[in-house]
Amino acid sequence: AQSVSQHNHHVILSEAASLELGCNYSYGGTVNLFWYVQYPGQHLQLLLKYFSGDPLVKGIKGFEAEFIKSKFSFNLRKPSVQWSDTAEYFCAVREGNTGFQKLVFGTGTRLLVSP
Amino acid sequence: DAGVIQSPRHEVTEMGQEVTLRCKPISGHNSLFWYRQTMMRGLELLIYFNNNVPIDDSGMPEDRFSAKMPNASFSTLKIQPSEPRDSAVYFCASSYTLGSAYNEQFFGPGTRLTVL
Repeated sequence: AQSVSQHNHHVILSEAASLELGCNYSYGGTVNLFWYVQYPGQHLQLLLKYFSGDPLVKGIKGFEAEFIKSKFSFNLRKPSVQWSDTAEYFCAVREGNTGFQKLVFGTGTRLLVSP
Repeated sequence: DAGVIQSPRHEVTEMGQEVTLRCKPISGHNSLFWYRQTMMRGLELLIYFNNNVPIDDSGMPEDRFSAKMPNASFSTLKIQPSEPRDSAVYFCASSYTLGSAYNEQFFGPGTRLTVL
């Protein structure tokens, strides 16, 4: 069965610091990869996704993620965080090239950005 | 578009009571997903429907949980009887699915369930 690991459960940064959140998955076949964000009191929103092509994916709000197939990783990055980036971030994977719509999520990383 | 609508937003009940959570997907979407979010296990898929038919219910924890989708605009998740360990936030999401293509799942605001 697929699994997704997010090793950092809590991250605290100061504004303008750089961010990298780790995500590793276990599935060996073709995958679709996602990062979702959940701001305090709000529902999950899609931040970015990778299906194929350029392994460096740009998302909204200055976020990007890099798919490294050999490492089964899809880490999220942002060069300079803002206080408004305080949220919980979820990595998710879907088996690609299938009709299955199921997403498997990691347990999430809570990011706190101090002003 | 109002997005995915869930009700109630908060539910507090006592152990042994029946709980029904409701979801209205985005109009035109044909796939609907129920997720549960807990501190320990994160976000888990419970069940998903495509064209009102349950496709994968392998995440439903036990027989106390049941889900229905009587039509394209409404789904329920029922817990009977409820237990304290069912306390969690339950999210509904919907998407438009055509063949094997994947389209973004849009999430509702969630229902925070507390079972005393």
